[in-house]
Amino acid sequence: QKEVEQDPGPLSVPEGAIVSLNCTYSNSAFQYFMWYRQYSRKGPELLMYTYSSGNKEDGRFTAQVDKSSKYISLFIRDSQPSDSATYLCAMSSSSGGSNYKLTFGKGTLLTVNP
Amino acid sequence: NAGVTQTPKFQVLKTGQSMTLQCAQDMNHNSMYWYRQDPGMGLRLIYYSASEGTTDKGEVPNGYNVSRLNKREFSLRLESAAPSQTSVYFCASKTGQGFNEQFFGPGTRLTVL
Repeated sequence: QKEVEQDPGPLSVPEGAIVSLNCTYSNSAFQYFMWYRQYSRKGPELLMYTYSSGNKEDGRFTAQVDKSSKYISLFIRDSQPSDSATYLCAMSSSSGGSNYKLTFGKGTLLTVNP
Repeated sequence: NAGVTQTPKFQVLKTGQSMTLQCAQDMNHNSMYWYRQDPGMGLRLIYYSASEGTTDKGEVPNGYNVSRLNKREFSLRLESAAPSQTSVYFCASKTGQGFNEQFFGPGTRLTVL
């Protein structure tokens, strides 16, 4: 079993839809949970991060972490064509010194149709 | 402020050829990373450098070497390229201590024939 599992999709939705993206993980040491957005032929960019459990909201984006279930989610409200990208979840523990290496999911390709 | 830059953007090699991928950052970051991204595999860490003068293996180091030339620059070398090394390579950097955002470069698309 990989440490981080993410459904690669692809996911296609109409403009204005609510999008739900999810990852599961197996390493209980993970404490930092991130979502990166990657546009086609570009490098990933950090969208949001959460420490430990709970929710975090930023505009149309909400990140949720359920450590008891080892499950994280990213919700996008009122999705826009500009949200079309690959979304990668990433996780890190604070062990192993200050390196905070990231473990990535495979990414989910999202297309929002006008 | 250019952030993280990578050269070249594209490269085609023949099996057995060698090349070096260059990465530089102008954000005064301590830590730098090399990843490869393959379809269906996500981003996998090849090597990283927690600080100037140190390097460590990541998840998939075989077939690669790295050099942390100075605080700004971190290069990745393929000594004898193989078709299995066809991939998109990303360099990233972050400030050293604690959890911080990793900033990624635009990537190098490498094809090994």
